[in-house]
Amino acid sequence: AQSVAQPEDQVNVAEGNPLTVKCTYSVSGNPYLFWYVQYPNRGLQFLLKYITGDNLVKGSYGFEAEFNKSQTSFHLKKPSALVSDSALYFCAVRDIRYSNASKIIFGSGTRLSIQP
Amino acid sequence: DAGVTQSPTHLIKTRGQHVTLRCSPISGHKSVSWYQQVLGQGPQFIFQYYEKEERGRGNFPDRFSARQFPNYSSELNVNALLLGDSALYLCASSKQGGQTNYGYTFGSGTRLTVV
Repeated sequence: AQSVAQPEDQVNVAEGNPLTVKCTYSVSGNPYLFWYVQYPNRGLQFLLKYITGDNLVKGSYGFEAEFNKSQTSFHLKKPSALVSDSALYFCAVRDIRYSNASKIIFGSGTRLSIQP
Repeated sequence: DAGVTQSPTHLIKTRGQHVTLRCSPISGHKSVSWYQQVLGQGPQFIFQYYEKEERGRGNFPDRFSARQFPNYSSELNVNALLLGDSALYLCASSKQGGQTNYGYTFGSGTRLTVV
């Protein structure tokens, strides 16, 4: 079955420090992976995706993610955290079982808290 | 251009009642998907519609139904509401009906509280 796991419910980082939000995936075939961010009382905003190609994917707001096939991971990273990065982050994978539909499976989310 | 718009933003209903949630996709997008996000969890897929036809259905009871109109807007209907239906309901639009490589654009959601 297609799935993603986010092992950390919460990550705390000091402003200016690098941040990493972890995600591992389990898929059959090639993975199509996404990161979304959710601010309080808001919908989800797309950050970045990995479909194929370079293992380091760059996205919005200075975020990037590293795809590691051997470790089945897709960790979200940022070199220098901002207080405004505090939000709920979701890793997601496309469900390939639905060949004629577009379904995404989300992880349980990681709350990122950046301290000033 | 307007993004994905959902209405209402908040709603309080009583157990056993019926609710209708509405969504307008981004102009030019023909696919609408619905997700349920229970507090503390990731969004769960409910339905996808493309060109007014159902393309996918998640693991939700028959109390949940949806439809898409000729202008590509969509309604999600939930009958016989249960306390457990309390959640943020998210609508997402995309250009394609099939597998998308581009993810979705989500609306801000409708917060449904069942009391």
